[in-house]
Amino acid sequence: GENVEQHPSTLSVQEGDSAVIKCTYSDSASNYFPWYKQELGKRPQLIIDIRSNVGEKKDQRIAVTLNKTAKHFSLHITETQPEDSAVYFCAASIKSPGSARQLTFGSGTQLTVLP
Amino acid sequence: GAVVSQHPSWVICKSGTSVKIECRSLDFQATTMFWYRQFPKQSLMLMATSNEGSKATYEQGVEKDKFLINHASLTLSTLTVTSAHPEDSSFYICSARGFVAGGIQETQYFGPGTRLLVL
Repeated sequence: GENVEQHPSTLSVQEGDSAVIKCTYSDSASNYFPWYKQELGKRPQLIIDIRSNVGEKKDQRIAVTLNKTAKHFSLHITETQPEDSAVYFCAASIKSPGSARQLTFGSGTQLTVLP
Repeated sequence: GAVVSQHPSWVICKSGTSVKIECRSLDFQATTMFWYRQFPKQSLMLMATSNEGSKATYEQGVEKDKFLINHASLTLSTLTVTSAHPEDSSFYICSARGFVAGGIQETQYFGPGTRLLVL
């Protein structure tokens, strides 16, 4: 099955700096890569996603890049703010015929933005 | 984004009792619902996948007789933890996948989670 690895596990940045979180996946058939933000005790919130036919996607201060050849994708947050502090999870999924798309999650990155 | 509700938000029960958790997609029809378990400071672990009207597919290591899943309609799925034990204490999160109004691709949204404590 799919295996997703995420690095780093913890990341501290100064307010205003950029943060980058990287994930690798094992199954070359994976074609959907969402990123979720989870604040303590709350539900994961989808913040951005990318599909395999696109190499980069940007939404204001958040961007995701995908390298299918190398099987890795990254989350970039620019101009970080204290409210960006949370745990971020990457995920990868495959849609197989006749079955539901399942997400395999990375282990998470605790991002702390220092004021 | 779409709204997925989950009830109850937290529950404390005695060992040996059963607990039912409801998951509802409020503004879209969920073709598939997922149940996850999350232990403190860990990632989300998929327990089972269910489609409306059919039996759930359980992940390896998840006991189907202990974690009963009923996907009664396109907007409701329930997870029943039977004969709960302290080791079942965890954060249970459901997720619903479907086409949100105006959307052209299926997206997955999470419920707020249910914190279960078994004494």
